[in-house]
Amino acid sequence: AQRVTQPEKLLSVFKGAPVELKCNYSYSGSPELFWYVQYSRQRLQLLLRHISRESIKGFTADLNKGETSFHLKKPFAQEEDSAMYYCALSGGSNYKLTFGKGTLLTVNP
Amino acid sequence: NAGVMQNPRHLVRRRGQEARLRCSPMKGHSHVYWYRQLPEEGLKFMVYLQKENIIDESGMPKERFSAEFPKEGPSILRIQQVVRGDSAAYFCASSPLWGKNTEAFFGQGTRLTVV
Repeated sequence: AQRVTQPEKLLSVFKGAPVELKCNYSYSGSPELFWYVQYSRQRLQLLLRHISRESIKGFTADLNKGETSFHLKKPFAQEEDSAMYYCALSGGSNYKLTFGKGTLLTVNP
Repeated sequence: NAGVMQNPRHLVRRRGQEARLRCSPMKGHSHVYWYRQLPEEGLKFMVYLQKENIIDESGMPKERFSAEFPKEGPSILRIQQVVRGDSAAYFCASSPLWGKNTEAFFGQGTRLTVV
């Protein structure tokens, strides 16, 4: 069975501080990992995926197969980063995403 | 391109009534996916449809739930005889043919409340 765990329901940081949103997964094969973001009153949108190895809006995430983690990091948080963040995994049927419960990030001024 | 459109945004139904949720995919997308988000939970896959075909309904409850994506018109998720436990946010996503770098685009969701 595939599972995604986001241990922090809420995360609050100050503007300019580093931020790390944790994501651990369980999957027996080679997963594809994603981070989705939902800003207030907006639709869920893809932030980044591990296979593209991009940095989007200053965020990066590295797949660590040994620790089965895909933590999302940003060195200097901005107020506009405040949003709900979901980690997701797709496995063999790669159109079928398994989501974590989400972490609500608040960046305080 | 207006993106994936879902309606209604909010739907209130009494126990035993039917709920019909609509999803219009992005222009050019022929693949639709429905997800359900129960309170305090992550989104859970329900069903994957192409035009006139159900590809994967492994996440659909066995009873009362059905989905279709006709040749013309939006995809419909239908819940018959709703119960309180059906109260959730229902999200639709669409994509072109799924491949390695395909991205699914999500709608804003329909929040169903069963009273």
